[in-house]
Amino acid sequence: GAGVSQSPSNKVTEKGKDVELRCDPISGHTALYWYRQSLGQGLEFLIYFQGNSAPDKSGLPSDRFSAERTGGSVSTLTIQRTQQEDSAVYLCASSLRGDYNSPLHFGNGTRLTVT
Amino acid sequence: GNSVTQMEGPVTLSEEAFLTINCTYTATGYPSLFWYVQYPGEGLQLLLKATKADDKGSNKGFEATYRKETTSFHLEKGSVQVSDSAVYFCALRPYSTLTFGKGTMLLVSP
Repeated sequence: GAGVSQSPSNKVTEKGKDVELRCDPISGHTALYWYRQSLGQGLEFLIYFQGNSAPDKSGLPSDRFSAERTGGSVSTLTIQRTQQEDSAVYLCASSLRGDYNSPLHFGNGTRLTVT
Repeated sequence: GNSVTQMEGPVTLSEEAFLTINCTYTATGYPSLFWYVQYPGEGLQLLLKATKADDKGSNKGFEATYRKETTSFHLEKGSVQVSDSAVYFCALRPYSTLTFGKGTMLLVSP
């Protein structure tokens, strides 16, 4: 079946511009996660949505980062006033449930380059 | 807090060699432990997992045993193939979110 879909696959933007990254999770998955992958930093947790609960935003690096999940499905990660240090691959994952027995399925990511 | 430490790479091996990638963790409670793999140009895939102490996860010839006494989850394979070349991530999951190590690149030459 269809996996986690992310768009765009690549995004080049100028410093100071806003960007929106989209994630379509696997249908029926209640949990959705955003991670950031950058050289030397590995995979950093950003934000987690579970059903209708308030999201866990504890990993967002600054108030320039925000995310929404509409209708319990599609999610958008927004970065305002992008900086060069925001350049990274942004990964989205979903899982059937939010418990530790429910494996995460990752998308192929959006590679963001801030010039 | 929760953290994962894994050996730095790249690990370079010849085909059919034995592989070990070390992973140790710090966590509160009793997390589940995972190895994920990222092949070139592809997304992260779950390789194997273990949910409690002394469990052994296995898949595609890879194995890892959850060692609570040494807080470790080392990845092993008896005979690597060129197609195993990838980046391997150790991760722990105490509740809902995964905490990853920085990844270890494996390069296998024919």
